[in-house]
Amino acid sequence: AQSVTQLGSHVSVSEGALVLLRCNYSSSVPPYLFWYVQYPNQGLQLLLKYTSAATLVKGINGFEAEFKKSETSFHLTKPSAHMSDAAEYFCAVSDSSYKLIFGSGTRLLVRP
Amino acid sequence: DTAVSQTPKYLVTQMGNDKSIKCEQNLGHDTMYWYKQDSKKFLKIMFSYNNKELIINETVPNRFSPKSPDKAHLNLHINSLELGDSAVYFCASSQTGTGTDTQYFGPGTRLTVL
Repeated sequence: AQSVTQLGSHVSVSEGALVLLRCNYSSSVPPYLFWYVQYPNQGLQLLLKYTSAATLVKGINGFEAEFKKSETSFHLTKPSAHMSDAAEYFCAVSDSSYKLIFGSGTRLLVRP
Repeated sequence: DTAVSQTPKYLVTQMGNDKSIKCEQNLGHDTMYWYKQDSKKFLKIMFSYNNKELIINETVPNRFSPKSPDKAHLNLHINSLELGDSAVYFCASSQTGTGTDTQYFGPGTRLTVL
């Protein structure tokens, strides 16, 4: 069975600092991996996805993630945090089926 | 134009009542989903339909019944509401439903059962 673990339910950074949100996955087949963002009182929006092409994936709003098979990780990074990045971030995994399995989410707080 | 829309946005009701949530997508997608997000923000898939056929039915009480009248609509009907049904329900859609698809989410319906 597939699963996703997000380390840290809350991450706090200063504006301008590096953002690092951690995601580890478990999958018996080559996974497809996603990062979604949820702003307050809104639905989820795709940031980026890995679908077995390039291991370094660039997304919207300056975010990127690197697929590391040896570490079963897909951590999300952004070089410089903006106040507008404050939101809930979800890592998710799927296989060839119709199902997305989400992690428990990480709330990003950005301090001025 | 909103890609995935849900109505109502908020729903407050008493235990034991029956309620429905409607979802519509104008993206021309073949697959639609219902997710439940609990108070701890945990998201779990409930159902998925592809071309009006049920393809995912997770361990959900049979008080929950999805209905897809056409590819663009997926409604969720809930009978005999319980306190534990309080959550935010998200509808989503994707092009084909395969593993690489991006899912597009609606704004959510916050259900509160008193």
